[in-house]
Amino acid sequence: NAGVTQTPKFRVLKTGQSMTLLCAQDMNHEYMYWYRQDPGMGLRLIHYSVGEGTTAKGEVPDGYNVSRLKKQNFLLGLESAAPSQTSVYFCASSYREVGGYTFGSGTRLTVV
Amino acid sequence: AQSVTQLDSQVPVFEEAPVELRCNYSSSVSVYLFWYVQYPNQGLQLLLKYLSGSTLVESINGFEAEFNKSQTSFHLRKPSVHISDTAEYFCAVSDYGGSQGNLIFGKGTKLSVKP
Repeated sequence: NAGVTQTPKFRVLKTGQSMTLLCAQDMNHEYMYWYRQDPGMGLRLIHYSVGEGTTAKGEVPDGYNVSRLKKQNFLLGLESAAPSQTSVYFCASSYREVGGYTFGSGTRLTVV
Repeated sequence: AQSVTQLDSQVPVFEEAPVELRCNYSSSVSVYLFWYVQYPNQGLQLLLKYLSGSTLVESINGFEAEFNKSQTSFHLRKPSVHISDTAEYFCAVSDYGGSQGNLIFGKGTKLSVKP
């Protein structure tokens, strides 16, 4: 099925470890986004990309890095995980700047 | 800067009763407005959107929302809810042609439908 695929779905990290979350979309969308969802906080934008090779900071970028080397993939990296990064991470993509996003099913990350 | 306020964090309601989930936004420019639904342990799904034209927009499962520019609101309504409507609902705003379409989300309203 066409859509946005996130891997992994679950992960437990120790403080200080690093990891990369992968987001892949097969809809030829230009725009891709990484959000984190925390209870009572809604969704907050971490980083986004408006096209291959471009990235920009969102509302809460500290502690995260991203790359968009291929149009269909958007990677989110945690260089040195902290307990405050325990969250559910969602990737989304859109064809253009308006019209709504297609979301992945999320990655539940726990940092201990 | 834009912002979205969802006035109720939780809304309990009995099956077949009407429901309204309130959403207010602030923006200095024209906006696009969205409602997303998140079922337990799933991602967000687009429920309905207002881009232009008729201020009343409808979804395929009986929800509707009305854009009220003077009150800067985009409340979501359903005349008769089902158990299956139990989910968290997020209102979101995007400014007209700016910010690369970044959506600003409200903090969500958990709708709990009881039998």
